[in-house]
Amino acid sequence: EVQLVESGGGLVQPGGSLRLSCAASGFIFSGYEMNWVRQAPGKGLEWVAYISNGGSPIYYADFVKGRFTISRDSAKSSLYLQMNSLRAEDTALYYCARTEAGNYDALDVWGQGTMVTVSS
Amino acid sequence: IHMTQSPSSLSASVGDRVTITCRASQSITTYLNWYQQKPGKAPKLLIYGASSLQIGVPSRFSGSGSGTDFALSISSLQPEDFATYYCQQSYSTPPTFGQGTKLEVK
Repeated sequence: EVQLVESGGGLVQPGGSLRLSCAASGFIFSGYEMNWVRQAPGKGLEWVAYISNGGSPIYYADFVKGRFTISRDSAKSSLYLQMNSLRAEDTALYYCARTEAGNYDALDVWGQGTMVTVSS
Repeated sequence: IHMTQSPSSLSASVGDRVTITCRASQSITTYLNWYQQKPGKAPKLLIYGASSLQIGVPSRFSGSGSGTDFALSISSLQPEDFATYYCQQSYSTPPTFGQGTKLEVK
């Protein structure tokens, strides 16, 4: 079964750091581009970051540039998001999602999400 | 690229045909995808490339449009279709989502 499982979320103070992980299974992880997408409580979907299957190029949403770093480890079939200088407005459910490059770059597989709460 | 969905919410009954529209601020050819999200669940891909049905999605869902104007139609609403729907453009980076359309029971 194709699956993505996020972990690493939690409560962190403003200015703090957190590292999210996404474990992939059921498909050849190294063959797929990956993303992080977030959803603030009661709000819509917001794309955060992208990494190609080979690790480059990498793209970020403007609101996380310089603070967040996306990376991947194909040997571990895992995707990561290092989040630094966290702000209250980063509070959200963070999903990892697979890009289906052959299908108009749609996000065809999503994890269940991991919640990040930034609060003092 | 800014994506605008309408309406923001919609009340309908089982068996109704409904249509949700999505407009892009510039041409995205057919790089338009639709997702369904139920409360407490991850989004699910329904339609990619404006009109192609994702594997496993019921045929009562259909998508149309190109350029800047798109639509998602559900031909005969089923109880499990009441959810929030999002359009998303994948034409250029950053990929952007519409604000969502909440489909509720009338």
